[in-house]
Amino acid sequence: RKEVEQDPGPFNVPEGATVAFNCTYSNSASQSFFWYRQDCRKEPKLLMSVYSSGNEDGRFTAQLNRASQYISLLIRDSKLSDSATYLCVLNSNSGYALNFGKGTSLLVTP
Amino acid sequence: NAGVTQTPKFQVLKTGQSMTLQCAQDMNHNSMYWYRQDPGMGLRLIYYSASEGTTDKGEVPNGYNVSRLNKREFSLRLESAAPSQTSVYFCASRDVPEQYFGPGTRLTVT
Repeated sequence: RKEVEQDPGPFNVPEGATVAFNCTYSNSASQSFFWYRQDCRKEPKLLMSVYSSGNEDGRFTAQLNRASQYISLLIRDSKLSDSATYLCVLNSNSGYALNFGKGTSLLVTP
Repeated sequence: NAGVTQTPKFQVLKTGQSMTLQCAQDMNHNSMYWYRQDPGMGLRLIYYSASEGTTDKGEVPNGYNVSRLNKREFSLRLESAAPSQTSVYFCASRDVPEQYFGPGTRLTVT
C-alpha cells in the first residue's frame, strides 16, 4: 500500500456544488496532516492543516479519521477559482520531511 | 520578504552537462528541501536538510548532490544530467507546520 493515496480525478463540478475528496494513508504513526493546493504550473501552497477534531476554514472543512486512516476535504459552494489540484500531505517517519499524495484534480465549471 | 526563491526558472541541458540549482529563503527556517515533480508521480523528495550543516537523502537521491551553504541557501547539483532528470524542481523550507515552496525550476535534459 502506498503511503498516501488519492483519487487523481478529475472531479468536474458546476459552480455552487459541494465536492469531497478523500485520502488514505498507510503509516498509522503519522501525526501531522495537511491539504495543499497547487495551481497549474505553480508551486504548492498550504490550504489547511487537519486536526483530530476536524476543522473548518470558510467553505473548506477537513476531517481526520485515525481508525480508518483517512483524511477528507469538503468544499462547499464551489467557485471557479477553486479549480486546482489538491494534495494530501502528512509527515514522514523522519518527522522533518512530508509525504505528498499525487493530488486530486478539481475543475469547477460555470 | 521574498520567501523562497529559486534560480534559474528554466534551463535546458544536454545529456552529460552539469548544473547547480540555487535556492534561498529569508524566513530563518531551519529545514530546507528539494523535490522533483513529474506528471503522474507527484512530488518526490530528493534531499533535505533538517538544519544548517546536515543533509539527508530522500526518496530519489541518485544523480543529485546537495549543499547547505548556510542557513539561507540550499543548492542542488546535477553532475551529469540525464534525460530522466527532466522535471520541475521545487525547493522548500519549513516552519512547522507549514512548508513554503519556491516557484520551481523547469529543467529539460535533451
